[in-house]
Amino acid sequence: DIQVTQSPSSLSASVGDRVTITCRASQTINNYVNWYQQQPGKAPRLLIYAASSLQGGVPSRFSGSRSRADFTLTISSLQPEDFATYFCQQTYSTPWTFGQGTTVDIK
Amino acid sequence: QVQLQESGPGLVKPSETLSLTCTVSRGPVRYRSYYWTWIRQPPGKGLEWIGFVFHSGGTSYNPSLKDRVTIAVDTAEEWFSLNLRAVTAADTALYFCAIASRGPEGGPYYFTSWGPGTLVTVSS
Repeated sequence: DIQVTQSPSSLSASVGDRVTITCRASQTINNYVNWYQQQPGKAPRLLIYAASSLQGGVPSRFSGSRSRADFTLTISSLQPEDFATYFCQQTYSTPWTFGQGTTVDIK
Repeated sequence: QVQLQESGPGLVKPSETLSLTCTVSRGPVRYRSYYWTWIRQPPGKGLEWIGFVFHSGGTSYNPSLKDRVTIAVDTAEEWFSLNLRAVTAADTALYFCAIASRGPEGGPYYFTSWGPGTLVTVSS
């Protein structure tokens, strides 16, 4: 199975901060990484697909990038509605796997 | 936009079978490029991919659950289902159904639509 290691597991930030979350895959998976946002008790919401493509309707403060087996989600200026948990996911091969999640809370 | 809704018992006894249905509205189950997927999330934990079914009925399952899981699709009625046999307390989770699709140029699959989730507790 492809392991996806996500870091940090949690972070505290303020409105307006730039936030970066990273996932590292255990092997090369091209750009087969997606990012989701999950509010408590809700279904995840797709933010970024194929490492860097912004899903329709998602604010442009969210962006994704890739450097070899490292993938990054960046929120350029954190807004109040962005306090949530974020997951990366690989769909390069089955079983599809998710990162452990990063909870972003208010500093 | 396709909408999904999970349904099924919220409480299942240990050793019995967990059965859930995902009803699809405003979109064709017959759409050949979709993967009809189940995902679960134990309370306070991360997401686990259970498996998916194609339009043709072909399936792919997580090896950690493969011996106990069956996912099926009914294109006529526009729903797909999850059966998980011989459940234990470790199967207690919020269960989501979702659609995986990808762009016309190919590339990775990603989950574009999710049901709201249904909590299933395994307890006697």
